[in-house]
Amino acid sequence: GAVVSQHPSRVICKSGTSVKIECRSLDFQATTMFWYRQFPKQSLMLMATSNEGSKATYEQGVEKDKFLINHASLTLSTLTVTSAHPEDSSFYICSAQYPGQVDEKLFFGSGTQLSVL
Amino acid sequence: GQQLNQSPQSMFIQEGEDVSMNCTSSSIFNTWLWYKQDPGEGPVLLIALYKAGELTSNGRLTAQFGITRKDSFLNISASIPSDVGIYFCAGNTNAGKSTFGDGTTLTVKP
Repeated sequence: GAVVSQHPSRVICKSGTSVKIECRSLDFQATTMFWYRQFPKQSLMLMATSNEGSKATYEQGVEKDKFLINHASLTLSTLTVTSAHPEDSSFYICSAQYPGQVDEKLFFGSGTQLSVL
Repeated sequence: GQQLNQSPQSMFIQEGEDVSMNCTSSSIFNTWLWYKQDPGEGPVLLIALYKAGELTSNGRLTAQFGITRKDSFLNISASIPSDVGIYFCAGNTNAGKSTFGDGTTLTVKP
């Protein structure tokens, strides 16, 4: 199956700093990628849809100035958590849509565990 | 927004037993997907269903797309310890966005 690489897998940062998470589709071009947040023992909550070459579409309640998304190429989307605070600590997961089908399958990265001290 | 009701929330079974979990929705989906997530990892696609009534198998896993397009089930036969994890159903609309169920946590006792 298609491979999506997400880095870093784990990051610990101080409150007030910014953290960048990368999501790469390694063997296919993804015009659309998605970013999710997941709390322990809970489901995936969609944060935003990342579209190559255009602005991301954010879900209701997600602060776009807090969670900056850049999809500058067909294989890379980045999520930057700006001025991180402890409440931003969570598991962040990206997914990429495999193109060419009406209902594209999603392939997920391995996730990034963010801990803000 | 659309919501999926996934049940059961958790299951504790003996190795070798069969498992069944399901998802229902008040909305119609064009695609049903089943994923498994191991701790600290992203979800991995198990089975994708594209047609109402479709029954698809992947090894010991079998899933069906409900006739009404509002439900799906996943069966795991002869469970083994490595089946432990969280299983998520997801429904897709034409927009391509996936709506996820709350997950079923499976524990298999050797």
